[in-house]
Amino acid sequence: DTEVTQTPKHLVMGMTNKKSLKCEQHMGHRAMYWYKQKAKKPPELMFVYSYEKLSINESVPSRFSPECPNSSLLNLHLHALQPEDSALYLCASSQENSGGRNTEAFFGQGTRLTVV
Amino acid sequence: GQQLNQSPQSMFIQEGEDVSMNCTSSSIFNTWLWYKQDPGEGPVLLIALYKAGELTSNGRLTAQFGITRKDSFLNISASIPSDVGIYFCAGRNTGNQFYFGTGTSLTVIP
Repeated sequence: DTEVTQTPKHLVMGMTNKKSLKCEQHMGHRAMYWYKQKAKKPPELMFVYSYEKLSINESVPSRFSPECPNSSLLNLHLHALQPEDSALYLCASSQENSGGRNTEAFFGQGTRLTVV
Repeated sequence: GQQLNQSPQSMFIQEGEDVSMNCTSSSIFNTWLWYKQDPGEGPVLLIALYKAGELTSNGRLTAQFGITRKDSFLNISASIPSDVGIYFCAGRNTGNQFYFGTGTSLTVIP
């Protein structure tokens, strides 16, 4: 099973709303990721969690707040977003980088977010 | 973040033709990956490469990890209509960071 599940699939929110994106995997992966993808562009790394701890924040604005409640779940809390934050938000997971094989990342289907 | 240069940006080919695309970086990666993404979906892993010089096949797909660890290529042989989509390379560094190439949009004309 190489499945990463993201909910919801679509989300429309106002600029004053607070919402959360959810991601779940049961592959035993201890690294989890959030990416943002605009139309016709590659995914851009936002956050990396390693063993439930935030290890990398790629200078993401504080209106995006990640959370890793346990080794299978990853959330992205959204507050006071702008219309330019509208994008496909992708979650991914991988094994920790042991320098060996089987350290590829598997992606969810994404959440299509529209900020109005 | 880092950006990998991928070429060509787009390709229009006849069904049955072979396709080649490549990816270069100014940084060294210890894993190279190739993904395919359909509209509105997440990237799907096609091939993973772990060692410099490694050549790996997956059906009609063949990919190689460059010996400098700064590049990779993907070949698709005998293309079919369902090969249509956007192909991304991705490199993983010594941390847990995966960075993506700029993408190659493939159109297959029946």
